[in-house]
Amino acid sequence: GQQVQQSPASLVLQEGENAELQCNFSSTATQLQWFYQSPGGSLVSLLSNPSGTKHTGRLTSTTVTKERRSSLHISSSQTTDSGTYLCAIEGNAGAKLTFGGGTRLTVRP
Amino acid sequence: EAAVTQSPRNKVAVTGGKVTLSCNQTNNHNNMYWYRQDTGHGLRLIHYSYGAGSTEKGDIPDGYKASRPSQENFSLILELATPSQTSVYFCASDDWGQDTQYFGPGTRLLVL
Repeated sequence: GQQVQQSPASLVLQEGENAELQCNFSSTATQLQWFYQSPGGSLVSLLSNPSGTKHTGRLTSTTVTKERRSSLHISSSQTTDSGTYLCAIEGNAGAKLTFGGGTRLTVRP
Repeated sequence: EAAVTQSPRNKVAVTGGKVTLSCNQTNNHNNMYWYRQDTGHGLRLIHYSYGAGSTEKGDIPDGYKASRPSQENFSLILELATPSQTSVYFCASDDWGQDTQYFGPGTRLLVL
C-alpha cells in the first residue's frame, strides 16, 4: 500500500525562525493535503497541494509530483504554530487518505 | 464551516465489552471516515462510507464494524473491545470534488 514518510520527526525553533517540513510518498498521489494538529488534538486542514506551489498566509507548500515529495515552509514562526503537522495523500484508488507520521513542531518564545 | 461532532469524547471500557462511537456531520457530506491515531503510527483508516447504507473496510478494519444509518451519522462499533484498541479515534467527512476533509474533535478510548 501507499506509504507516507515525514521528516523531521520533531523540530524546535525560536520564534521568528522559518521551518521546512518534508513529505515523501511511495506512489502516485492525485491529492496531497497538509493538516495541523493542535497540542489539544484537534485537526484542521491547512492546504491542499497536489502539484506546484501554493501559498496561504505564512505557509508555502511545494509539491514535485514526479519526485513524490512535498514540502511545507512556515515563515516567521510563532509560538502558536506549535503542534503536529501531518501530510496525507490520496492515490488513484479514490477518496481514501493515507497519512504520514507527522512532524512535531515546537516554537519557543 | 463544516461541523463534525463525536460522542462520547472520552470512554473507559472493559475488555470484552461492546463500545459504540458516534459521529454526526451537519454539512450533507457523502463521505465519512473513521481513523485511529496512535503514537508512532499517525492516523490510520479503519472504515469509511460513501453514503447512507454503505460501509467499506479501510486499512485496519479487524475488530471493528461500522454503520451508516443516515447521511449525517456514522458509527464505529467494537463488539468485543480489547486493550489494543485503546487509542484516540477521529471521525471525518468530505464530499466528492472537495480537497479538504473535516475532522471531529476525537474520542479517547481506554480499554482496561
